[in-house]
Amino acid sequence: SQQGEEDPQALSIQEGENATMNCSYKTSINNLQWYRQNSGRGLVHLILIRSNEREKHSGRLRVTLDTSKKSSSLLITASRAADTASYFCATDAGANSKLTFGKGITLSVRP
Amino acid sequence: DTAVSQTPKYLVTQMGNDKSIKCEQNLGHDTMYWYKQDSKKFLKIMFSYNNKELIINETVPNRFSPKSPDKAHLNLHINSLELGDSAVYFCASSHQGPGNTIYFGEGSWLTVV
Repeated sequence: SQQGEEDPQALSIQEGENATMNCSYKTSINNLQWYRQNSGRGLVHLILIRSNEREKHSGRLRVTLDTSKKSSSLLITASRAADTASYFCATDAGANSKLTFGKGITLSVRP
Repeated sequence: DTAVSQTPKYLVTQMGNDKSIKCEQNLGHDTMYWYKQDSKKFLKIMFSYNNKELIINETVPNRFSPKSPDKAHLNLHINSLELGDSAVYFCASSHQGPGNTIYFGEGSWLTVV
């Protein structure tokens, strides 16, 4: 069954603006990961946040995790046209490294 | 240099045919996966192998049979293809255990006509 639910489903912003994407999940997790998928390509890992962490940064990416609300957000600052892609959150809840993905958010960054 | 490579990238075939997708990883990982992404981009795990042993087998029809000849390879064979099997199939790999990054291949676009 699906674990992560991202919102919005689609987001269109101007280059230079910040993009915020949210993910909610249903069960307890070990960690939550965000992936990017460019059109016609495979998924690329962006960042992982563990269940005992609240915030993590990587370059222009900032991820937060609120385990009490079972939600996470991904912030991309100073967006670029090259950030145009689909973004997925994925939760890791078991011992077998099984990631459960959300439906994804389509981000369009207008130049 | 390709980390996770899968072939073919595109496959168009008729209903009822049998087809295989091959996957190889050169990252030294001990765990490999097959994921299916439907037309709405929903991504769902199908199988996971660790050191050639099946550890995850989601509710997938018996027509789908993974085979792992060694820990660097995980192939997917599909019998009696149906229209609903049309999707993008992604192979992936990682080190075993939670919290490890999963590396994906570029996908195999399967169209059943």
